Amino acid sequence: EDKVVQSPLSLVVHEGDTVTLNCSYEVTNFRSLLWYKQEKKAPTFLFMLTSSGIEKKSGRLSSILDKKELSSILNITATQTGDSAIYLCAVAGDSGYALNFGKGTSLLVTP
Amino acid sequence: KAGVTQTPRYLIKTRGQQVTLSCSPISGHRSVSWYQQTPGQGLQFLFEYFSETQRNKGNFPGRFSGRQFSNSRSEMNVSTLELGDSALYLCASSLAQPTYNEQFFGPGTRLTVL
Repeated sequence: EDKVVQSPLSLVVHEGDTVTLNCSYEVTNFRSLLWYKQEKKAPTFLFMLTSSGIEKKSGRLSSILDKKELSSILNITATQTGDSAIYLCAVAGDSGYALNFGKGTSLLVTP
Repeated sequence: KAGVTQTPRYLIKTRGQQVTLSCSPISGHRSVSWYQQTPGQGLQFLFEYFSETQRNKGNFPGRFSGRQFSNSRSEMNVSTLELGDSALYLCASSLAQPTYNEQFFGPGTRLTVL
């Protein structure tokens, strides 16, 4: 059975700090790993990582896929209060277009 | 380009009733997936449709069903509602061809079963 585990489950940091969120997976026939940000609404797409694209960056956010360790990290530098959200990791595997989500990391950035 | 839309946004039903939720994907997207999100289980995959065909199905009872129309709009139906069906139901659309693409989520339908 496919499995996606995120850590930590929750995190509280001060504005300006750098955070690293972790995602590990066990999936049959890995296709891609996706990161989403969810505030009080629908998840918003951040990055998609595949075998041909293992590193992505957008502004203060970046993500790396480690295919050997079956894991990924999401880094957020110079955090802002607007970064407070639940960050979800999802993996697409042998089931094709079904995303298997982790439970998420709840990030709170305090002023 | 308009995003994924879902209707209704909120719904209150009683046990035993049935409900139909609707999803309109981003223009040009032919794949529609449905997810259930609850505080305890997180986001769980229900099913995925492409060109009116169900390609994948999650581990949910047969009370949960769906369909997709020729214009890619999709509906999901839950019959004989149970208290545990209270959740946020999210729909996501994707280009899906020729390779796997990212899924974009709609705002969700909040279903409360009393």
